[in-house]
Amino acid sequence: QVQMVQSGGEVKKPGASVKVSCKTSGYTFTSYAISWVRQAPGQGLEWMAWINIHNGDRQYAQKFQGRVTLTADTSTATAYMELKSLGNDDTAMYYCARGGETTVNNYWGQGTLVVVSS
Amino acid sequence: DIQLTQSPSSLSASIGDRVTISCQASHDVSDFLNWFQQKPGKAPKLLIFDASNLDTGVTSRFSGSRSGTNFTFSISNLQPEDVATYYCQQYDHVPVTFGGGTKVDI
Repeated sequence: QVQMVQSGGEVKKPGASVKVSCKTSGYTFTSYAISWVRQAPGQGLEWMAWINIHNGDRQYAQKFQGRVTLTADTSTATAYMELKSLGNDDTAMYYCARGGETTVNNYWGQGTLVVVSS
Repeated sequence: DIQLTQSPSSLSASIGDRVTISCQASHDVSDFLNWFQQKPGKAPKLLIFDASNLDTGVTSRFSGSRSGTNFTFSISNLQPEDVATYYCQQYDHVPVTFGGGTKVDI
């Protein structure tokens, strides 16, 4: 069965960076994109970016351009999202999801809570 | 960016009721509109993809339809386990966007 397992929660200071991992299993990693979506406390869902694992293409939401980097390790079927220059408003639950570009997000990780606090 | 206007933002209904949620897209998104259910403390779960297709294993009490840029999500015979927040999402255009969510209570 398809599984998406994310790394544990993080507490970061303003200005720092965070890197969240998403280890996948149960499907061919290179056959699907991976999307990243975040949710601030009590708020709605916000799409950040996706990466096409097969060809490396990436699309980022404009508000995250230059601050977020998506990578993938095909040897371990793991995707990564790094967010730099963290501010207090980056405190959120970060989700990875299988799919993006032309495929739907039908499997999701459990979420990684990132708290930014001085 | 494509704006998705979801309404209502919240609703309360009785067990067995039929509930309908609307999602109005600001521009054409073809059928590339999905519906998700999110329960507190959990990741979103895909219910309906491409406007009207039920995802595998999802109860047929859930349904979706499209009329132009207006999309509708329905729950028939509302059950206690349906208490959740529901989101629409378009993926026809980048950036992918979500509606603001509809909180459904019993």
